[in-house]
Amino acid sequence: SQKIEQNSEALNIQEGKTATLTCNYTNYSPAYLQWYRQDPGRGPVFLLLIRENEKEKRKERLKVTFDTTLKQSLFHITASQPADSATYLCALKTGTYKYIFGTGTRLKVLA
Amino acid sequence: SAVISQKPSRDICQRGTSLTIQCQVDSQVTMMFWYRQQPGQSLTLIATANQGSEATYESGFVIDKFPISRPNLTFSTLTVSNMSPEDSSIYLCSVLPGTSGRVNEQFFGPGTRLTVL
Repeated sequence: SQKIEQNSEALNIQEGKTATLTCNYTNYSPAYLQWYRQDPGRGPVFLLLIRENEKEKRKERLKVTFDTTLKQSLFHITASQPADSATYLCALKTGTYKYIFGTGTRLKVLA
Repeated sequence: SAVISQKPSRDICQRGTSLTIQCQVDSQVTMMFWYRQQPGQSLTLIATANQGSEATYESGFVIDKFPISRPNLTFSTLTVSNMSPEDSSIYLCSVLPGTSGRVNEQFFGPGTRLTVL
């Protein structure tokens, strides 16, 4: 069956460190993969998109990698801050306008 | 970008009743989507609602249970009919504005938190 897996357990890291979140998928060949941030009581907010022919994408303190052979994306936040604490979702485009979301990983950055 | 509002933000409803959720966008968009996010679960697409055509429902969701209206390019409603406690969830609308350079970015509303007793 088709699946997207993200670490279900919360990730706690110290302020200033790099947070690394993982998104693994099976039985898809997505054209691209997206990462979203979701704060409690709010809808997801788009962060980054990486295409299947791109290995890495950066935006300020964020970096995403995409390995279509391993079927895995890694999402990094460098120099993490308490304000980065949120749930991070990965999403795959599986159809013309269809997106499949992972369950998300809750990140907590400790001051 | 697009700014999306939803009403109500939350509601507590009795079993067997219906609730209509409104989604308003600050700009005209063709593609609008309704998702459900159950506690501890990922977002699940309910249906795609394009103006001028019938909504397209995903497997496991039917029009009788989740009727959708899309009267114009800035507004849509989702009704949760004959509710049961299993319908307790957060319901989110999203849009794909399709603006140049950002064609694949979805913008989400804040969600409607529904509790069915």
